Amino acid sequence: DTEVTQTPKHLVMGMTNKKSLKCEQHMGHRAMYWYKQKAKKPPELMFVYSYEKLSINESVPSRFSPECPNSSLLNLHLHALQPEDSALYLCASSQGLAGLNEQFFGPGTRLTVL
Amino acid sequence: TQLLEQSPQFLSIQEGENLTVYCNSSSVFSSLQWYRQEPGEGPVLLVTVVTGGEVKKLKRLTFQFGDARKDSSLHITAAQPGDTGLYLCAGEADKLIFGTGTRLQVFP
Repeated sequence: DTEVTQTPKHLVMGMTNKKSLKCEQHMGHRAMYWYKQKAKKPPELMFVYSYEKLSINESVPSRFSPECPNSSLLNLHLHALQPEDSALYLCASSQGLAGLNEQFFGPGTRLTVL
Repeated sequence: TQLLEQSPQFLSIQEGENLTVYCNSSSVFSSLQWYRQEPGEGPVLLVTVVTGGEVKKLKRLTFQFGDARKDSSLHITAAQPGDTGLYLCAGEADKLIFGTGTRLQVFP
């Protein structure tokens, strides 16, 4: 299995809602990532997990809360988002942080905040 | 701040034409990756180059890593409509640094 899966594919939420994005990989990768991508822009790194521990937090607002329950799963909990948080949220995984960091991306969750 | 600038930003060409996309930085990277992203999908890894001066070919795509490992190029020969997409270079430092992107459209 060489896939990274993400659910849901699309999400519309209000500013007072709480929702979660889910990501799963079964490639035995030990590093997982969340990226945010606005239209016509490159992905921006949000969080990195290595061996289920948060390794990098790129100064992301606390309304985004990541969680790595096990080596195959990565969640992003959303609460009190703003309309400017609307974007494509991408999950990626790689074998690890050391050596070649070839990342495999999921198809993304298109988030719209009303 | 490490930056990777890609040029051109947009490219619109006819099927059968050749093109080159450039990825430039003032920083040295331990490796450089090229991804292609189609609308509504995540980026897909095309190639990784590691050694300065390295050239890799993937069918009609030729990738080169600069001697000083600060820049790279992607050359496509005889472009096809299926090549349409956003091309992203990404340099590896303590994290992956994505380039500004080149949006390619190939018309039949």
